[in-house]
Amino acid sequence: GAVVSQHPSRVICKSGTSVKIECRSLDFQATTMFWYRQFPKQSLMLMATSNEGSKATYEQGVEKDKFLINHASLTLSTLTVTSAHPEDSSFYICSARRTGGEKLFFGSGTQLSVL
Amino acid sequence: AQTVTQSQPEMSVQEAETVTLSCTYDTSENNYYLFWYKQPPSRQMILVIRQEAYKQQNATENRFSVNFQKAAKSFSLKISDSQLGDTAMYFCAFMKQGTNSGYALNFGKGTSLLVTP
Repeated sequence: GAVVSQHPSRVICKSGTSVKIECRSLDFQATTMFWYRQFPKQSLMLMATSNEGSKATYEQGVEKDKFLINHASLTLSTLTVTSAHPEDSSFYICSARRTGGEKLFFGSGTQLSVL
Repeated sequence: AQTVTQSQPEMSVQEAETVTLSCTYDTSENNYYLFWYKQPPSRQMILVIRQEAYKQQNATENRFSVNFQKAAKSFSLKISDSQLGDTAMYFCAFMKQGTNSGYALNFGKGTSLLVTP
């Protein structure tokens, strides 16, 4: 099956610092990658859609200057949380779409805690 | 915009019994996909089953099957012979079909299923 690696799985940072989360498709090319946010006991909320080589499309209410997304290759997308605040603490999950298909494959998620 | 509604926040079932999780959705699209995902305590999202809207036949995957009623916009998941490992959060999800759809998943709020011995 297709594998999506997300790193780190857990990160603790100080308020005001930036954190980068990586999402890699290990054995397939991913034209499109998605970033979701999940608060405890809640559903996954789509933050943004990134297509390789172009700017990400952000959902309404998501600050693009705070959540920087880069999708520079067909196997890697990164989410950088800039100037992190405690309210950014959450579980972030990426998913990747194999080129030519509609199935999405999920990373294992990153728990971000901002102190 | 599409909305996905899961009206059962929590459910429990005894091992070996059958349980049905409900999902309804609202859309004006004619072509789309519907999914059930499982999220165990590890929080890894696992695809349980997938249904194309144009197919009348209900999808099945081993102990998991769906009851897809397109006109009623209903997509319930039936788990037969429940196992302890089925304990998880279950999310119903909608995806528009087509190259212009974006392929993003729209999730319901989830149903927490507990399988008891």
